[in-house]
Amino acid sequence: DTAVSQTPKYLVTQMGNDKSIKCEQNLGHDTMYWYKQDSKKFLKIMFSYNNKELIINETVPNRFSPKSPDKAHLNLHINSLELGDSAVYFCASRQNTEAFFGQGTRLTVV
Amino acid sequence: AQSVTQLDSHVSVSEGTPVLLRCNYSSSYSPSLFWYVQHPNKGLQLLLKYTSAATLVKGINGFEAEFKKSETSFHLTKPSAHMSDAAEYFCVVSSGTGFQKLVFGTGTRLLVSP
Repeated sequence: DTAVSQTPKYLVTQMGNDKSIKCEQNLGHDTMYWYKQDSKKFLKIMFSYNNKELIINETVPNRFSPKSPDKAHLNLHINSLELGDSAVYFCASRQNTEAFFGQGTRLTVV
Repeated sequence: AQSVTQLDSHVSVSEGTPVLLRCNYSSSYSPSLFWYVQHPNKGLQLLLKYTSAATLVKGINGFEAEFKKSETSFHLTKPSAHMSDAAEYFCVVSSGTGFQKLVFGTGTRLLVSP
């Protein structure tokens, strides 16, 4: 069983489209995150949720909207996609110490 | 606020020689520190973690790191590099546990030559 799973793994879409990335964790953790990894491999936090409540929103454009329907899921919806949104997006969950990461979603906007 | 500085963007070693990846941190609170590894086109895997217990931490695949508060360092070492160690390594700091964010360093690419 995969602890943190993201779908899709690859996503190619045109500018201006709206897309969603789904994330599910089966670890029973309270906290979930979205991170963005740019072309230089730098990882930056976007959002953090704790028990379905938004805790961290790191000055991300409001075209990005996370949604947590329950503690095990944290989805990321992106409106009006731009070329600069191309990146790898990682979902993670955490309970106490280390975070467990999904395999990433490579988003390419053309 | 927390931050992490990885002092080398690339480190090249020969197979069988020691590995040293350097990391310095800054944290207002007692930090939790981690090293993660990312193989090409793969996700992030935890190598080891420090959470205020023993200062010398052993991880998977023969890696270890030592927490030195006086030097604010958490360098990653391995006695003998293997070809499969070639990857991107990230030093990560968190101010605590639970829902605090993890702050990543910029990464060090480890290259291993035969």
